[in-house]
Amino acid sequence: DAGVIQSPRHEVTEMGQEVTLRCKPISGHDYLFWYRQTMMRGLELLIYFNNNVPIDDSGMPEDRFSAKMPNASFSTLKIQPSEPRDSAVYFCASSYLSGSKNIQYFGAGTRLSVL
Amino acid sequence: AQSVTQPDIHITVSEGASLELRCNYSYGATPYLFWYVQSPGQGLQLLLKYFSGDTLVQGIKGFEAEFKRSQSSFNLRKPSVHWSDAAEYFCAVGTLFGNEKLTFGTGTRLTIIP
Repeated sequence: DAGVIQSPRHEVTEMGQEVTLRCKPISGHDYLFWYRQTMMRGLELLIYFNNNVPIDDSGMPEDRFSAKMPNASFSTLKIQPSEPRDSAVYFCASSYLSGSKNIQYFGAGTRLSVL
Repeated sequence: AQSVTQPDIHITVSEGASLELRCNYSYGATPYLFWYVQSPGQGLQLLLKYFSGDTLVQGIKGFEAEFKRSQSSFNLRKPSVHWSDAAEYFCAVGTLFGNEKLTFGTGTRLTIIP
């Protein structure tokens, strides 16, 4: 399996621009997670989906952030408008529930720089 | 709610020396515990996991961890580190109910000196 695939790996944009991050989960996984990693706050869960439905978006920082999962093999995280404080590494992870056990597998991340 | 503490922000170890990274969790019932490793510019890779059974679990790359309920700990160990082990290490806890969510510690950065 190719693992969780994220694109782009790096994104540099200017303040006010729209940014779209993409994620392809591992085939057969029914959970998808978006995380943000910064030096100050560490690894934060932003939102997660189960069977393409958002379950918990309490970690989404504000209305400028939105996430969608139109099908089982694709998800996007959008920031509009972007701000310099959004600069971070954004990770996507996917998992499936086996019994009561759930193991998350991470993508390589997208490093976002907002100038 | 559960929480994870990794008390060491940064550890430096000589190549060939033994390693122990500390992890303490807070949760009222039996937790599910994980160690992930993040190399520079990479995503998080699962090293090992504990769900139940034997409290000493073996992982990849020669790592092991021991679950100690009495101490609420899940420390990561390796008998002899290699330069390639330099990375950031994250402990995480999940729960029986709502276990799809993980709570991560703040990480321990490991530096290896020759």
